[in-house]
Amino acid sequence: DAMVIQNPRYQVTQFGKPVTLSCSQTLNHNVMYWYQQKSSQAPKLLFHYYDKDFNNEADTPDNFQSRRPNTSFCFLDIRSPGLGDAAMYLCATSRSLASGWRFFGPGTRLTVL
Amino acid sequence: KQEVTQIPAALSVPEGENLVLNCSFTDSAIYNLQWFRQDPGKGLTSLLLIQSSQREQTSGRLNASLDKSSGRSTLYIAASQPGDSATYLCAVKGQDGGATNKLIFGTGTLLAVQP
Repeated sequence: DAMVIQNPRYQVTQFGKPVTLSCSQTLNHNVMYWYQQKSSQAPKLLFHYYDKDFNNEADTPDNFQSRRPNTSFCFLDIRSPGLGDAAMYLCATSRSLASGWRFFGPGTRLTVL
Repeated sequence: KQEVTQIPAALSVPEGENLVLNCSFTDSAIYNLQWFRQDPGKGLTSLLLIQSSQREQTSGRLNASLDKSSGRSTLYIAASQPGDSATYLCAVKGQDGGATNKLIFGTGTLLAVQP
């Protein structure tokens, strides 16, 4: 089935130790998004790629970076995780920027020790 | 700045009951509104999407309505089941030329359906 896949589902890292989260999609969608969701809060958009064009939200910390080597894959890099970065990270796709439908992956739960 | 509010934050109902979840937004100039379901520790599953020109959408036991002028949407769940227990989030997409991709989410309503 076409879907959005995130790996790993659970990630534990140490304070300050770089970590990379992975997202892949079989939908062939042009747009891929990364959201951060803390407990009992709404998902917060960090950035998105439209094809190879990267768009960063104004309030996304510099500590967060992203790479999209091809249509199928997108990575979230956290260069120096702090305790406040512990959250669920959600990857999503859409066919286009105008498309209303978002397809979400199952998320990666990040714990920072 | 668009703000999305969902009330109540939590709701518990007995199995079989019909229920309504509420979503309100401050800026009526929206492109569309989407309802999602989120199970504990999981990602979001899209349930229904209503374009700004539409009044409602239906899928099985779910019916979502949209009243742009009053800044409100409701999600109606008929004959609730324990498997409906989850957090339900609404999200609106802005209408600034249609080019924006940003969804503004509410914080959700945690629904518990008691057997």
